Amino acid sequence: DTGVSQNPRHKITKRGQNVTFRCDPISEHNRLYWYRQTLGQGPEFLTYFQNEAQLEKSRLLSDRFSAERPKGSFSTLEIQRTEQGDSAMYLCASSLLGGNQPQHFGDGTRLSIL
Amino acid sequence: RKEVEQDPGPFNVPEGATVAFNCTYSNSASQSFFWYRQDCRKEPKLLMSVYSSGNEDGRFTAQLNRASQYISLLIRDSKLSDSATYLCVVNSGGGADGLTFGKGTHLIIQP
Repeated sequence: DTGVSQNPRHKITKRGQNVTFRCDPISEHNRLYWYRQTLGQGPEFLTYFQNEAQLEKSRLLSDRFSAERPKGSFSTLEIQRTEQGDSAMYLCASSLLGGNQPQHFGDGTRLSIL
Repeated sequence: RKEVEQDPGPFNVPEGATVAFNCTYSNSASQSFFWYRQDCRKEPKLLMSVYSSGNEDGRFTAQLNRASQYISLLIRDSKLSDSATYLCVVNSGGGADGLTFGKGTHLIIQP
């Protein structure tokens, strides 16, 4: 399977704990995006990378969130001191360069904060 | 005003019928447009890009009206498997290239 891969698929943790998600994009895709989706809403943009450079962060990305893409391939999204409001589906997508390039999504990581 | 607006539905449509829904966007500088399909508890999947001249892919037709800032999706001869949420997606360009999604239109095809 050469699509976008995310793990874990599900994460349940207690409030206050740190969590880290991983995304492996389609191999030839330079751009990698993180989104968050809650029930009844469309995905909301969080941040994106072009190769290893993090080029933009949404205002939704609080100080407790950090994303990395150290070698321009896989990316990690870490949430520190999780809060109940962080419960959501975290989606990763990748694309080739260019604004007209469609983004291809992974299966997502569903985070539940107890 | 929200950046991308869609009627959330649900649209209940009998199998075989034609259904259409629209989406409006607020940023006149928006550069590219897509329809994505999302099944329950699954990731969004690209259905089709929307081109200025309009485009068709089998039973699906997408159109863009830049003057009125809306895009449309038409599904002909609807199938039970078309039941899903259809997300209108706009790329407003600039720095982010992050996509702006509507909340989606929920479509239910009834036998």
